[in-house]
Amino acid sequence: GIQVEQSPPDLILQEGANSTLRCNFSDSVNNLQWFHQNPWGQLINLFYIPSGTKQNGRLSATTVATERYSLLYISSSQTTDSGVYFCAVAYTNAGKSTFGDGTTLTVKP
Amino acid sequence: GAVVSQHPSRVICKSGTSVKIECRSLDFQATTMFWYRQFPKQSLMLMATSNEGSKATYEQGVEKDKFLINHASLTLSTLTVTSAHPEDSSFYICSASQTNYGYTFGSGTRLTVV
Repeated sequence: GIQVEQSPPDLILQEGANSTLRCNFSDSVNNLQWFHQNPWGQLINLFYIPSGTKQNGRLSATTVATERYSLLYISSSQTTDSGVYFCAVAYTNAGKSTFGDGTTLTVKP
Repeated sequence: GAVVSQHPSRVICKSGTSVKIECRSLDFQATTMFWYRQFPKQSLMLMATSNEGSKATYEQGVEKDKFLINHASLTLSTLTVTSAHPEDSSFYICSASQTNYGYTFGSGTRLTVV
């Protein structure tokens, strides 16, 4: 199956700082998503981005499918950005997803 | 956008009893739903793929008689943890997909077996 590696595993930032999270995957995929899991366990869909670049407010993501990696950018971080960020990939749009181990982000005031 | 509702959010049950968890797609039809399990401070592990009108497909190592999945309609999948034991305590979460939108997850169910 697909291998998904996320880095860094842990990240501590001061409020206002910028960060980049990385997701490497081992095979060609047609579905890649970034999620934020809040302290209550809810998985929030940030981006559906099998390729290209998208932006949503302070967050943006880029996937370079040919090189099998994706990046999630967080700018001007806020304490509410804290939580675990997961990258999930799938071979098809409706197929089962494989999750990375996540990046735990802590933003300090 | 797509909304997936999961119920209950928390459940405490006695060892030996069964617990049913519901997953509904509220504004779209989902022929396929997925059930995941998450242990504390770990990633999500896929348990099974729920297929509307047919048997679920279980991942290796997941006991199908322990975790019964029923997908009776295009908007509802259920996971029943049978004869629950403390080691079944975990966070269970479902998801469904929409073309060009990706996967939407339910809010999860925290099961505690005492």
